[in-house]
Amino acid sequence: SYELTQPPSVSVSPGQTASITCSGDKLGNKYACWYQQKAGQSPVLVIYQDTKRPSGIPERFSGSNSGNTATLTISGTQAMDEADYYCQMWDSNTVVFGGGTKLTVL
Amino acid sequence: QVQLQESGPGLVKPSQTLSLTCTVSGGSISSGDYYWSWIRQPPGKGLEWIGYIYYSGNTYYSPSLKSPVTISVDTSKNQFSLNLSSVTAADTAVYYCARARRYTSSWFDYWGQGTLVTVSS
Repeated sequence: SYELTQPPSVSVSPGQTASITCSGDKLGNKYACWYQQKAGQSPVLVIYQDTKRPSGIPERFSGSNSGNTATLTISGTQAMDEADYYCQMWDSNTVVFGGGTKLTVL
Repeated sequence: QVQLQESGPGLVKPSQTLSLTCTVSGGSISSGDYYWSWIRQPPGKGLEWIGYIYYSGNTYYSPSLKSPVTISVDTSKNQFSLNLSSVTAADTAVYYCARARRYTSSWFDYWGQGTLVTVSS
């Protein structure tokens, strides 16, 4: 079965750029999306179709997808961005989530 | 504004059936533009997709699930439901219902608040 691999944790200083990766076989040939989940809350979509931001998501969130890796980039990271982030792909009527990355803003 | 709300027992005994319902408001399940899905998250762990249903009744399930699963839809009530049979402690999780656009490669744009189901005797 298809797997998506994320680093368990990423740390970033306030105001710096955070990059969270998601790896899967030929992932660049599929669409990836990203969710933010804060403690005790439901996930929130922050990027879909590799690069698109839903309405209401700040411009500091961006995405890319090429080769075997999709990347979520948060520019000018703020304390409020501290959360778990999950990548997800949808292919052949099957949905796969990455294991999640805990972003710590120190 | 679309809203999804999960409901059902918070405690289920091992080997019994876990049953949850998701009520959709602010939009019609029968619109044909969306898939309706169940996703779960064991305590302290990541998200796991369970399956999804289209308003016509077509269903798709995760091949990774160990417990037998059925998702059904009741368009007259604007609800869809999850039945997970022969549950074990490993099925203890927060269960979310969510909506996805009807594309071949989609994403979940609206989620319910989630409901914790504990499997224990």
